[in-house]
Amino acid sequence: NAGVMQNPRHLVRRRGQEARLRCSPMKGHSHVYWYRQLPEEGLKFMVYLQKENIIDESGMPKERFSAEFPKEGPSILRIQQVVRGDSAAYFCASSKTGQGVMNTEAFFGQGTRLTVV
Amino acid sequence: KQEVTQIPAALSVPEGENLVLNCSFTDSAIYNLQWFRQDPGKGLTSLLLIQSSQREQTSGRLNASLDKSSGRSTLYIAASQPGDSATYLCAVGFRDSSYKLIFGSGTRLLVRP
Repeated sequence: NAGVMQNPRHLVRRRGQEARLRCSPMKGHSHVYWYRQLPEEGLKFMVYLQKENIIDESGMPKERFSAEFPKEGPSILRIQQVVRGDSAAYFCASSKTGQGVMNTEAFFGQGTRLTVV
Repeated sequence: KQEVTQIPAALSVPEGENLVLNCSFTDSAIYNLQWFRQDPGKGLTSLLLIQSSQREQTSGRLNASLDKSSGRSTLYIAASQPGDSATYLCAVGFRDSSYKLIFGSGTRLLVRP
């Protein structure tokens, strides 16, 4: 089991470009979460998805950010027209059951470090 | 507002010491609490998961306790080693914020040889 796989590990974008971050959950996991870690800050929840459904996007900025988890393929976090303030580490996590179950353990990927220049 | 606080923010100890990292949370209605390790520039490694019904969990030299009534968890590291140097993160799954983990800001640990 390769664990949660994120790519790319590092991504550099110029202001105004689009950033696409990919996440493949652990085998057998159908719940995916995205978190953002700004420099010198803790991780903050962005969005929770199950296959083809967005369950909770309360942590996502209202504009420019979107996420999907299609029936086939990885989950994608998309940031349009990036700005310098989007520079951060973006982590994906997956779990076998939803976070509302007591014994749910979340496993995290290595993260994608986005730098906007 | 549900918050998770970790104290101290940074800790430096000589090799071999036993140490305790603290985590406090504002709401006792939780599903679980998870301790992670984060190395610089790297991802998060899950260390221990404590369910709401449990008081503690152990893995090797690590022991995590949970006291819901006081809103506290501690991570005990026995016989610390330089390889334990990392940032340790506490994350809580609150019942009415289900689906998301609320993270503390972490404790940066340095174990000196």
